[in-house]
Amino acid sequence: ELKVEQNPLFLSMQEGKNYTIYCNYSTTSDRLYWYRQDPGKSLESLFVLLSNGAVKQEGRLMASLDTKARLSTLHITAAVHDLSATYFCAVDAKRGSTLGRLYFGRGTQLTVWP
Amino acid sequence: DAMVIQNPRYQVTQFGKPVTLSCSQTLNHNVMYWYQQKSSQAPKLLFHYYDKDFNNEADTPDNFQSRRPNTSFCFLDIRSPGLGDAAMYLCATRRAGGTGELFFGEGSRLTVL
Repeated sequence: ELKVEQNPLFLSMQEGKNYTIYCNYSTTSDRLYWYRQDPGKSLESLFVLLSNGAVKQEGRLMASLDTKARLSTLHITAAVHDLSATYFCAVDAKRGSTLGRLYFGRGTQLTVWP
Repeated sequence: DAMVIQNPRYQVTQFGKPVTLSCSQTLNHNVMYWYQQKSSQAPKLLFHYYDKDFNNEADTPDNFQSRRPNTSFCFLDIRSPGLGDAAMYLCATRRAGGTGELFFGEGSRLTVL
């Protein structure tokens, strides 16, 4: 079974600071997804990364994928309180297919304080 | 407009009393998933359907069953809920051949008394 590890699991950061969340996975995959979840809510798609070297940016968040290292990063620039949420990465277990199972990391609970 | 709709949003049941959760989608996606998410944990895949083909995860308890009568609807039946089944149940869809992105419903939160 594919293992997906995120770190850190808990992140408390001051507004205006930068930080990176890491997502490592155990088997070959060329599809990785980042989701955001607010307390008591469902998951909202943030980024879809479909190839080695893919980089996507939206506002203060930037995600990248290195399939050779089996690593994705979610970089936060100049954090603001509205970014407080739990962030999950998810990896497609079957390479080159959209029919595979999506496995989630444990999530990174981000709190941004003034 | 909501594209993946789950009902009910909140369900309270008694220990051992069967529960059915429903999911409908307007995206015409051929793949549908049920995930279980407990507090502060990652979503855990229970089943998925590719069209009518049913795929059960090896560690999904027999207490959980699923039905997909047509493309738009999928049901999760919990035959005899235990206290450990209290969780958020998330339905998601994806289109085969697309980016593989999952679209989630708002979830159904199950409480077992």
